[in-house]
Amino acid sequence: ILNVEQSPQSLHVQEGDSTNFTCSFPSSNFYALHWYRWETAKSPEALFVMTLNGDEKKKGRISATLNTKEGYSYLYIKGSQPEDSATYLCSGSARQLTFGSGTQLTVLP
Amino acid sequence: DAGVTQSPTHLIKTRGQQVTLRCSPKSGHDTVSWYQQALGQGPQFIFQYYEEEERQRGNFPDRFSGHQFPNYSSELNVNALLLGDSALYLCASSLGGRSYEQYFGPGTRLTVT
Repeated sequence: ILNVEQSPQSLHVQEGDSTNFTCSFPSSNFYALHWYRWETAKSPEALFVMTLNGDEKKKGRISATLNTKEGYSYLYIKGSQPEDSATYLCSGSARQLTFGSGTQLTVLP
Repeated sequence: DAGVTQSPTHLIKTRGQQVTLRCSPKSGHDTVSWYQQALGQGPQFIFQYYEEEERQRGNFPDRFSGHQFPNYSSELNVNALLLGDSALYLCASSLGGRSYEQYFGPGTRLTVT
């Protein structure tokens, strides 16, 4: 079972700011890294799945990178908007998903 | 295209009671995984069902059991409820017994008093 850690635990930014947060995992026994966005009272929504070292994925203003050799992934949000406010979860999968505890992002108008 | 649905939305039980939570997977999916999310933590894997069998299990006691039906829907049963079982229970569906590309339901909030 992977040990997945996320930082920071919470983050407050002003509308228009760019921000990023980190997911770290043991570099051995790695299969895939998943990012989810979870708004209050809704289902977690898959953002990205990455498997290869150096992978970069982008969806609109959100992008993610993966470094499997050193065991981390970054999620970037460019020009944050209030609707980006959510908890961002990452999970590593070997045979099963192991989640970090998430980064709670609040974007202030 | 129906996504993952869970019932009930909320549930209040008393210590020692038993509870059953239900999950219907996304159309076309045949694999169901269950997670427990306690306050301030990420979802913790309970178990996964594929082809009506428990295929993988996380670090949860035998009080937690499940079932998958021929239509791929699933139940999570918890016996002898403890206060610490209060949590959000998430169901996720995927294809072919894999954890890749899981789609989550909105969860069932269980409160044990």
